Amino acid sequence: DAGITQSPRHKVTETGTPVTLRCHQTENHRYMYWYRQDPGHGLRLIHYSYGVKDTDKGEVSDGYSVSRSKTEDFLLTLESATSSQTSVYFCAIAGTGGGTEAFFGQGTRLTVV
Amino acid sequence: GENVEQHPSTLSVQEGDSAVIKCTYSDSASNYFPWYKQELGKGPQLIIDIRSNVGEKKDQRIAVTLNKTAKHFSLHITETQPEDSAVYFCAASPHNYGQNFVFGPGTRLSVLP
Repeated sequence: DAGITQSPRHKVTETGTPVTLRCHQTENHRYMYWYRQDPGHGLRLIHYSYGVKDTDKGEVSDGYSVSRSKTEDFLLTLESATSSQTSVYFCAIAGTGGGTEAFFGQGTRLTVV
Repeated sequence: GENVEQHPSTLSVQEGDSAVIKCTYSDSASNYFPWYKQELGKGPQLIIDIRSNVGEKKDQRIAVTLNKTAKHFSLHITETQPEDSAVYFCAASPHNYGQNFVFGPGTRLSVLP
């Protein structure tokens, strides 16, 4: 696997609580992404980053925020978790330039009860 | 924005037979098309990719073809083995700033011994 670590790997939280997921890379890749995976929907982009402090929204960004203060870390925050945010979350990284490969972490299974 | 469709959603083949998964995309600016394999409980793993200046690429038992005019690309797996059983995702990525990947909904391949 590429040098990507997601933490935690599993989390159960209550509705209305804040949750932060962490993605850490050791590859010095410029691009970092957060996807969520749900049955029947494949992988949907939540937010992505193209550099330190440079982030942008994906197609399902409502209810999520991100931060990237260092090249190696990309944080995904659910400000007030809802049951619809129960999902498997994947972080991915990619290098510079167009057409370079993206590598995925092992995922974080989040359950909101 | 880009939209990627993928067919079939499930595919069962006998060991030793071939498997074909097809994807179509909508954005003519897309020029990079990776394929990912996801095993249960793991993150997606890149298995092969193709760029728009190439019509076909092969890596041992796996091949990918691209028809830019028709905006479709396909994954071909020959001499299937039980370990090929997994969910396969196609994706499309435009050659522009941000390098976002849009994924198809996935195909669950079962190779029957």
